[in-house]
Amino acid sequence: GENVEQHPSTLSVQEGDSAVIKCTYSDSASNYFPWYKQELGKRPQLIIDIRSNVGEKKDQRIAVTLNKTAKHFSLHITETQPEDSAVYFCAAHNAGGTSYGKLTFGQGTILTVHP
Amino acid sequence: EAQVTQNPRYLITVTGKKLTVTCSQNMNHEYMSWYRQDPGLGLRQIYYSMNVEVTDKGDVPEGYKVSRKEKRNFPLILESPSPNQTSLYFCASSFLGPTGNSNQPQHFGDGTRLSIL
Repeated sequence: GENVEQHPSTLSVQEGDSAVIKCTYSDSASNYFPWYKQELGKRPQLIIDIRSNVGEKKDQRIAVTLNKTAKHFSLHITETQPEDSAVYFCAAHNAGGTSYGKLTFGQGTILTVHP
Repeated sequence: EAQVTQNPRYLITVTGKKLTVTCSQNMNHEYMSWYRQDPGLGLRQIYYSMNVEVTDKGDVPEGYKVSRKEKRNFPLILESPSPNQTSLYFCASSFLGPTGNSNQPQHFGDGTRLSIL
């Protein structure tokens, strides 16, 4: 099955700096890669996703890049703000597989943005 | 209001005492799924259901059962809970698998914190 590794486990930055979180996946057939943000005591919420037919996607201060050859994808947050502090999860999904309902998550990254 | 409702939100119980965590969604979603969240392990999928009467194992199904007799409900059953099932559990739903669709991604409930002594 799919295995997703996420690094770093914790990340501390100063307000205004950029933050990068990286994930690698094992199943080359995976073709959908969402990122979730979970604030303290709250539910995970999708913040951005990318499909394997594109290499990069951007939404305001957030961007995701995908390298299919190397089987890794990254979340980039620019001009970080204290409200970006949360746990971030990457995930991988094979939309064309027989286990269409499966979604495999990374271990999570605790991002702390210091004012 | 569109929502996924889990009950109970918190439960402390003892080893071996059967329990059920209910999950209900009011969005007419076909897909529903259960995850458990543990520190350092992220979210791990327990079971999922693509539609009524269709369920399948995720990555960590051992010790759990589910049923999908009607579209809106997807209960998680622990027949004989053990301390290693102490965790934070999330139910989620969407129209179309874990990807959702372009307008409505997978929607999570507020979570159920289970402590099994």
